[in-house]
Amino acid sequence: DAGVIQSPRHEVTEMGQEVTLRCKPISGHDYLFWYRQTMMRGLELLIYFNNNVPIDDSGMPEDRFSAKMPNASFSTLKIQPSEPRDSAVYFCASRRSGGEAGELFFGEGSRLTVL
Amino acid sequence: AQSVAQPEDQVNVAEGNPLTVKCTYSVSGNPYLFWYVQYPNRGLQFLLKYITGDNLVKGSYGFEAEFNKSQTSFHLKKPSALVSDSALYFCAVRPNTGTASKLTFGTGTRLQVTL
Repeated sequence: DAGVIQSPRHEVTEMGQEVTLRCKPISGHDYLFWYRQTMMRGLELLIYFNNNVPIDDSGMPEDRFSAKMPNASFSTLKIQPSEPRDSAVYFCASRRSGGEAGELFFGEGSRLTVL
Repeated sequence: AQSVAQPEDQVNVAEGNPLTVKCTYSVSGNPYLFWYVQYPNRGLQFLLKYITGDNLVKGSYGFEAEFNKSQTSFHLKKPSALVSDSALYFCAVRPNTGTASKLTFGTGTRLQVTL
């Protein structure tokens, strides 16, 4: 069973460029989460979806960030325009809903460097 | 609002000795509690969780955690540490209400196991 798949694993871009990060959750999982990890701020929740609908985007830093989930097997996180302070590792995670607490399954992350 | 505190940035222990990584939490109502581990350049991996019942929870790789409601703690333990246990450990909490799906992570504790 494939885990959460993220692409690209590494991205180096210049300030002002558009960045698109992609995520394929585990089949059957109806929750999808985008996290950002930095040394300074630790692990931050940016946004999460339930059944492809954004539920809480209060963690999205600003309007330069947007996320979509057009179907149950694909989500994107877009930064436009990118800035050096956006440099971080971005994780996608998914889980299924249900009566018990379901653990999150994380992808390997996308390491973004904005020059 | 829910929160997690991991008071130690780093824990150092010699191989073969017992280890403890501390976690305290704050949440409305009863909690779901989790421990995750992150190895270098990897995503977070689920270790164990507390939902209800027995206060001592056993998880992967010989780890266990003890839920203490009166002290609002969920410390991670292992009787005998291995060098391969060296990694970043995250505690996380969310309320056990059906609609609250947002998991809050601590800042992480780096475990260093030496020979």
